[in-house]
Amino acid sequence: DQQVKQNSPSLSVQEGRISILNCDYTNSMFDYFLWYKKYPAEGPTFLISISSIKDKNEDGRFTVFLNKSAKHLSLHIVPSQPGDSAVYFCAAREGGAGSYQLTFGKGTKLSVIP
Amino acid sequence: GAGVSQSPRYKVTKRGQDVALRCDPISGHVSLYWYRQALGQGPEFLTYFNYEAQQDKSGLPNDRFSAERPEGSISTLTIQRTEQRDSAMYRCASSSDTFETQYFGPGTRLLVL
Repeated sequence: DQQVKQNSPSLSVQEGRISILNCDYTNSMFDYFLWYKKYPAEGPTFLISISSIKDKNEDGRFTVFLNKSAKHLSLHIVPSQPGDSAVYFCAAREGGAGSYQLTFGKGTKLSVIP
Repeated sequence: GAGVSQSPRYKVTKRGQDVALRCDPISGHVSLYWYRQALGQGPEFLTYFNYEAQQDKSGLPNDRFSAERPEGSISTLTIQRTEQRDSAMYRCASSSDTFETQYFGPGTRLLVL
């Protein structure tokens, strides 16, 4: 049973527009969420995170929104650039002891079209 | 500075052989993690070290899998008597401390024929 779900395997966006990547989770014990970006032949690279005590975290062009009641988070990229084309993984971590384990979604492949 | 490195990057082996996958974490990082990633999936947790101590091995699929980190730095994931179902990307990550951001290496792609 997938505890972290990224239901869109792929997304295409025009350069300069907003990219919105979505992630849903089922485990109510998750209290910390991360987005990783992965280019081909490389490992996942940390992008941005959010704690469950917040509903928004912004870093430059990247903003993550968390809706705890809906168990949903999203990553917004504005404006999208061709270099943003990559696979984006949503990950989550439980609070308390044993909270080092990251649970990942299957990823969403973003293509930004010039 | 240097990131997490893994070797070999690719490993092809025959069923029944043993393989050893190496991870060299970021210098000074005390926490080290192994994950396995099947095609089209996200990474799945295998095991975790804090310094040289293996704190959690709950994700190791069976007793053919083992890991060590004898000096609290480099780690080796060993798979004995490999099977075709072991074919996957094996990823290592490290963090400066247990609850800090995990940084991933490029992975070792294992193919068992």
